[in-house]
Amino acid sequence: RKEVEQDPGPFNVPEGATVAFNCTYSNSASQSFFWYRQDCRKEPKLLMSVYSSGNEDGRFTAQLNRASQYISLLIRDSKLSDSATYLCVVNSGDSSYKLIFGSGTRLLVRP
Amino acid sequence: EAQVTQNPRYLITVTGKKLTVTCSQNMNHEYMSWYRQDPGLGLRQIYYSMNVEVTDKGDVPEGYKVSRKEKRNFPLILESPSPNQTSLYFCASSSGGQGPPYEQYFGPGTRLTVT
Repeated sequence: RKEVEQDPGPFNVPEGATVAFNCTYSNSASQSFFWYRQDCRKEPKLLMSVYSSGNEDGRFTAQLNRASQYISLLIRDSKLSDSATYLCVVNSGDSSYKLIFGSGTRLLVRP
Repeated sequence: EAQVTQNPRYLITVTGKKLTVTCSQNMNHEYMSWYRQDPGLGLRQIYYSMNVEVTDKGDVPEGYKVSRKEKRNFPLILESPSPNQTSLYFCASSSGGQGPPYEQYFGPGTRLTVT
């Protein structure tokens, strides 16, 4: 079983749609959670951290469910520029700074 | 401008010819790391460094070496490259410190092909 699992997609949605991605992680000791965005052939960039209470940044909302060990990302009012791969990232749960990356979920927003 | 730089960006080489991919950050970050990214496998950590002269293996260290003689630089060395090391490589850094890991900043990537 992978440590971080994501549906690879692609999710193909029209502009203005709401889309949600889920991610599950296997290590209950993980304490830090993130969503990174990666455009084609480019470096990953932090989209948002995920806090226990959930957090929102404009059109993006992240939620954490520790009991079920999953993380979600909701994108409202999708834009063409949201087309990218979204990486779910968790820390290793030990004293290192190791981050474990999911394989990513690809989003395509069409006009 | 705060950034992580990698060189070269693209490299085609032959099996067995030693190569070095450089990585440098200007943010005075303690933590640096190397990843490789392959289709369907996501980012996998090769080596990481918590500080100068402190390095440790990640998940896929075989065939790679690193060094951390200065805080800003973290080169990746392939002593005898093989075709299974054909991949997209990313260097990353973060400020580290106590508590949860901070945001990792990635370099632009190095696309390596070994024939």
